[in-house]
Amino acid sequence: KAGVTQTPRYLIKTRGQQVTLSCSPISGHRSVSWYQQTPGQGLQFLFEYFSETQRNKGNFPGRFSGRQFSNSRSEMNVSTLELGDSALYLCASSSAAGTETQYFGPGTRLLVL
Amino acid sequence: KQEVTQIPAALSVPEGENLVLNCSFTDSAIYNLQWFRQDPGKGLTSLLLIQSSQREQTSGRLNASLDKSSGRSTLYIAASQPGDSATYLCAVFRMDSSYKLIFGSGTRLLVRP
Repeated sequence: KAGVTQTPRYLIKTRGQQVTLSCSPISGHRSVSWYQQTPGQGLQFLFEYFSETQRNKGNFPGRFSGRQFSNSRSEMNVSTLELGDSALYLCASSSAAGTETQYFGPGTRLLVL
Repeated sequence: KQEVTQIPAALSVPEGENLVLNCSFTDSAIYNLQWFRQDPGKGLTSLLLIQSSQREQTSGRLNASLDKSSGRSTLYIAASQPGDSATYLCAVFRMDSSYKLIFGSGTRLLVRP
């Protein structure tokens, strides 16, 4: 089985721009979660989707949004980028969030200048 | 509020040594606890998942234990190798339908040849 894939792997943007990141889960997995990793804050939960429904959202401003498609692929969008949004964005998938192993993708490294 | 702590923050050992990494959590109402490995600049690799009803899990040279009542988990690595050098993260999945992992800040391990 192919693992979790994330595109693009690297991005450089300037302040004020917006960005869309994509995540393709392992085939058959219906739960997709997003996390932000920074040296100062560690790994922080952004949101979780299951069958196209957002079940939870972390403590991030409204500039961070996401969605899940019927094939379980997910995208997250960050509008009006700030310098502090520079981070590694990780996506995880599982067949049933909470009860089974969560598998992470390689991440998208976002640098905001 | 669930908090996850990992001690020590960094560890350097000679090759061949057996070692223990510690993880503690403040709220015992968890579904499971997962140990991950992260190489520099990369995503997370799942090592072991322990369900709340289990006491330990083993995979190769790795053994993870869970004591819910005391809020502790340990990851035991036998006969360490330079290739084990990485950051090890533990994360708990809460029982409150939040559908998110709460991570510790990690232990950075260096195994010296």
